[in-house]
Parts: sequence; structure tokens; C-alpha cells
Amino acid sequence: GAVVSQHPSWVICKSGTSVKIECRSLDFQATTMFWYRQFPKQSLMLMATSNEGSKATYEQGVEKDKFLINHASLTLSTLTVTSAHPEDSSFYICSARDLGQSWDTEAFFGQGTRLTVV
Amino acid sequence: GEDVEQSLFLSVREGDSSVINCTYTDSSSTYLYWYKQEPGAGLQLLTYIFSNMDMKQDQRLTVLLNKKDKHLSLRIADTQTGDSAIYFCAEQDNTDKLIFGTGTRLQVFP
Repeated sequence: GAVVSQHPSWVICKSGTSVKIECRSLDFQATTMFWYRQFPKQSLMLMATSNEGSKATYEQGVEKDKFLINHASLTLSTLTVTSAHPEDSSFYICSARDLGQSWDTEAFFGQGTRLTVV
Repeated sequence: GEDVEQSLFLSVREGDSSVINCTYTDSSSTYLYWYKQEPGAGLQLLTYIFSNMDMKQDQRLTVLLNKKDKHLSLRIADTQTGDSAIYFCAEQDNTDKLIFGTGTRLQVFP
């Protein structure tokens, strides 16, 4: 099946710095990718929808200036957590769907990135 | 808005069947999914069902969908200790977003 690669798997950063997380579709083109956040022992919450070549669509309550999303190509979306604070520590997961395959609706998920801000 | 709910916890004996339930509110759901998440790991797609189906079976897994009541269930036959994990149901809305339930923690004891 299709593969979505997310990097890094885990990162520790100092408070006030920025962290970039990459999400790549390895063997298919993804015009749309989704970014989720998961707090410990909680469900995944959709943060934003990343659209290739256009601005991301953010869910209510998600700060677009803090969580910068760039989807510059059909295989890469990045999420940058700017001026990170300890409360941003979480598990971030991206997903993508091969919309070129009309029969395939499965959303493929990256491995996730565990961000710890100290 | 769209909402997906699950019971938080389920405990079963090894060898028994497990049934995890999920309810959703979005009547325009196209596909409904079940994902498994093991501790510290990402999501693993277990199975999915199209909204015009009422049942799908895949080895030990059986998905039942009652579209009228917006109720989805996942039955795991012959539950094993390796099945212990958090199970998320998710509905795909007509904008392709996935809305996840709260997750059900399945604990299998000997």
C-alpha cells in the first residue's frame, strides 16, 4: 500500500524555538494532507487541512500563526510549530490520501512525531 | 458540528469476543474506519466500511453499520493479548476529513 513518511519521529526542543515536521507521500501524489494532534490519552484532533499550492484550512481554535503549514509540492507538507512552549508538547500525525485513485479512499498515516518542549 | 463517540474502556478475557461501539452524528459520512493504536505508536488501519454497506468481515474482524441509528461496531473474535490497544473509529465527511472518536482502550486479560 501507499506509504506516508513523517520526520522526525521525536524531537525535543527548548521553549521559544521553532520546530519543523515533514510529511511525505512516498509513492503517490497527495493534493491534500491532514495534520492531527493527539494529547496523552486523548483522541486525535484535526488541526488543519493542507492543500497543495494554496493556504491551509485551519480548524476552529487552532492558531494559524503558531502552526505554520506549507504544502509546496504534491508529495510534501510541513508543519512548523513556531515559538514552541511546553503546552505544545504533543503527538502530531499527518495523513494523506491518494486522490488520484478514485477507488482508494484509505487515508494513510505517518508514523507520528512526538514533540517535547522543555 | 460533527461528533463521534465511543465508550472509553473495555476489558475482555482472552479467547472471548470483543465488541467496540461507536456512534456518529454526520449523516453525510461516506466511509467509516476503525484504527488501532498501540502505546507510543501511530495509527494502524484495521478496516473500513462504505456507508451503503451494513456489514463487512475481514478474518477476525466484523464491522456492523446501522446507518439509520448512526451506529458502528467492531467485533474482534477470539481476542488475543496482542489485541490490547486503543481503538478509534473515524468517519470521513464529504470534505474528506476524518473525524475521530475518543478511542476505546481494550484490555485483554488471560
